[in-house]
This record gives sequence, structure tokens and C-alpha cells, in this order.
Amino acid sequence: GQQVMQIPQYQHVQEGEDFTTYCNSSTTLSNIQWYKQRPGGHPVFLIQLVKSGEVKKQKRLTFQFGEAKKNSSLHITATQTTDVGTYFCAGPADSNYQLIWGAGTKLIIKP
Amino acid sequence: DAGVTQSPTHLIKTRGQQVTLRCSPKSGHDTVSWYQQALGQGPQFIFQYYEEEERQRGNFPDRFSGHQFPNYSSELNVNALLLGDSALYLCASSLGLLAKNIQYFGAGTRLSVL
Repeated sequence: GQQVMQIPQYQHVQEGEDFTTYCNSSTTLSNIQWYKQRPGGHPVFLIQLVKSGEVKKQKRLTFQFGEAKKNSSLHITATQTTDVGTYFCAGPADSNYQLIWGAGTKLIIKP
Repeated sequence: DAGVTQSPTHLIKTRGQQVTLRCSPKSGHDTVSWYQQALGQGPQFIFQYYEEEERQRGNFPDRFSGHQFPNYSSELNVNALLLGDSALYLCASSLGLLAKNIQYFGAGTRLSVL
């Protein structure tokens, strides 16, 4: 069945270092969404990418959608403690009526 | 403008019991989706309700059922609880059925089955 895979599962960084998570779909996606879930919280929508090769920025966060619309990435520059949480990508199922979620990448700031 | 609200926040049940979780969508939203999130995992889609009907269903057994009311609020029912049903249950609302529509999540109900 259709799958969305995310790597890595965890990433430990020192505060101020960069962070990147990668998302790969088994099928071409019409769009991809990114969500952030803080520890003990619920997923919160960050952004949606629609176009092939699209790049969007939100302050220190850069989101990319691959040319083939099968992969995406989220890059955080100079991480801060407020960035801690799990980042999920999600793409529409073939039916276009439900989202298929990646397993998430947990960002951990080393003390 | 109230966001998505879920009740209760926490629940403890024993195996074999039944449970009902409730969700009120964000004002103006007409579609409710339910997800199960096990610890350390991504949300798993259970089902979606629109116009008081179940429109899409994930890979969950018939023990999981739901309902949507005319005011768009929704319930998730789980019968014959198993230990493996212990998880965070998230409700998400959106405007319209399509997956491209942004989903707004409630804080969730944490269910523990003993």
C-alpha cells in the first residue's frame, strides 16, 4: 500500500546546530503537508507544498518539495529550544480524501 | 473562535469495556477525522465523517465506530477494548473532505486500557 517514510527517527543536536528531516513517498503526491507536535501536545499545521520543486521559508525553517513530487524535506537553521518536538510530513492517499502520515522525526536538543 | 475540543482528556478502562470519546470541531468546519497515535508513532487514520456519514475508513476493525451529529460534532466509540488500544486519540477538523484541506487537531484523549 501507499507509504510515507521519514528519516531519521531521531536527531540530537546542540542548540545552534542545523536540523534536517526527509520525507519520501511511495507514490507521487499532489501536495505535502508538514506538522509539528510538541512533547505532550498535538500536531499543529506548519505548511503545505503543492508545486514541483517548490521551496518555502518560514523564518529559520525551509521546506522543499521534490521535482518528482515524491519527496520533501524540512531544514531548520540554528536550532533553538523552542524547536523541540516531532516533525511529521503527511500526503494525500490515492483517494485524495485522507492523509498518510510519516512516522515523524523527533528533534532533541542536547543539554 | 473556539478551536477543536476533545473530551475527556484522560481515560482509564479495563479490557473488554467500551469507551466513547467526543470531539467538537473548529467553528465553521464540517469534516471530522479521527486518528490513533501510539507512543512514538505518527497518527494512524481511523475514519472521517462528513454530512453525518462515514466517508473514509482506515485499517481499523469494526470495534471502532463513530457518529457525526447535525452540529458537526463527533463521537468515536471503541468496543471490547484491548490492551493494544491504549493510545492518544486525536480528532482533527477541516473544511471539506479533501486531504489537501488543512487539519486542525484537538489536544486529544489519552486512553489507557488495563
